[in-house]
Amino acid sequence: GAVVSQHPSRVICKSGTSVKIECRSLDFQATTMFWYRQFPKKSLMLMATSNEGSKATYEQGVEKDKFLINHASLTLSTLTVTSAHPADSSFYICSARVDGAVNNEKLFFGSGTQLSVL
Amino acid sequence: KQEVTQIPAALSVPEGENLVLNCSFTDSAIYNLQWFRQDPGKGLTSLLLIQSSQREQTSGRLNASLDKSSGRSTLYIAASQPGDSATYLCAVWGGSEKLVFGKGTKLTVNP
Repeated sequence: GAVVSQHPSRVICKSGTSVKIECRSLDFQATTMFWYRQFPKKSLMLMATSNEGSKATYEQGVEKDKFLINHASLTLSTLTVTSAHPADSSFYICSARVDGAVNNEKLFFGSGTQLSVL
Repeated sequence: KQEVTQIPAALSVPEGENLVLNCSFTDSAIYNLQWFRQDPGKGLTSLLLIQSSQREQTSGRLNASLDKSSGRSTLYIAASQPGDSATYLCAVWGGSEKLVFGKGTKLTVNP
């Protein structure tokens, strides 16, 4: 099956620093990728939709200047958490949709990144 | 705004038992409903995807049903095994062009 690689799996950083999370589709091309976060005991919530070659579309309430998304190739999207704050501590997970598929068909998820901001 | 609710939040059963996980959604205008499995520290694995025109889908010991008009879905797991222990997530894809997830049901199957 299709594989989505997400790195790092766990990161601890100090307040005020930036953290970059990578999401890579290993054996398929993905023009569209999605970034989610999950706070403890809460649902996975979509943060933004990432499209190769264009600006990401952010969900309401998600600060685009704080969560920078770069989808520079058909197999790689990155999420950078800038000026990290303890409130940003969460589980971040990406998903990639196989090119040619629609909706959530052929949508594959990475293994997630647990971010802890001290 | 679509909301997805999963009941129960946690479930513990002895090995071999059949069990049912419940999912409900507030907006019936969906394209499909998907059940996932999430293991600690790992990503999501899709178990079953039911299109809005379908009533159920089966895969091995798993059977998922969908009643779109009432906004409900169930995931039936037959003859549960310790390896089934995980968090099960229900999600719907609708007009908002995104997956809306429930909080999940944490299942523990005791040997």
